[in-house]
Amino acid sequence: EAGVAQSPRYKIIEKRQSVAFWCNPISGHATLYWYQQILGQGPKLLIQFQNNGVVDDSQLPKDRFSAERLKGVDSTLKIQPAKLEDSAVYLCASSNRLTGQYNSPLHFGNGTRLTVT
Amino acid sequence: AQTVTQSQPEMSVQEAETVTLSCTYDTSESDYYLFWYKQPPSRQMILVIRQEAYKQQNATENRFSVNFQKAAKSFSLKISDSQLGDAAMYFCAYRTYNNDMRFGAGTRLTVKP
Repeated sequence: EAGVAQSPRYKIIEKRQSVAFWCNPISGHATLYWYQQILGQGPKLLIQFQNNGVVDDSQLPKDRFSAERLKGVDSTLKIQPAKLEDSAVYLCASSNRLTGQYNSPLHFGNGTRLTVT
Repeated sequence: AQTVTQSQPEMSVQEAETVTLSCTYDTSESDYYLFWYKQPPSRQMILVIRQEAYKQQNATENRFSVNFQKAAKSFSLKISDSQLGDAAMYFCAYRTYNNDMRFGAGTRLTVKP
């Protein structure tokens, strides 16, 4: 089975510019996650979708970050305007977990490394 | 709030030897899952092993095993017969039925030939 696809692999932008990341989950996976991983830290959840609905976006900085999952398949995460502290790896993950199925592991993509200068 | 603590930022092991990575967590829940993920330089997070909290038997996957101490809220990972390909960041993670997966800060494992 094909894994979680993410693009681009790397992105360098200047502060105050905008950037978008794309994720295509494993086919049939209802749940999609975006994580932010700052260097030297573990991944931190930004937003969780189930199908095309948002389950949890409590840690998403909504003044500058936005995400959508139209049609419940692939997803985009946008940052506008970017700040220096947004430099991190952005990981997308998916699972076939539905509500209550918390034993389902997450399958991760290779991530996008964002550098804001 | 659930927290996951990995107290060893870095560990090293000689090839073919055994190493144990530590993880503790804090929760008021009684039912949950615990995971260990490996992150090589490619950045992809790879599931190593998982443990159901209500199961007393420790999970094992080939050379990887866990020591799950529920009362102590401890979930350590043992890697036997370490191989060069085991070198990576290792993350402990915790999840309940209604929460997302929470990760520790990670342990960087170096394997010496």
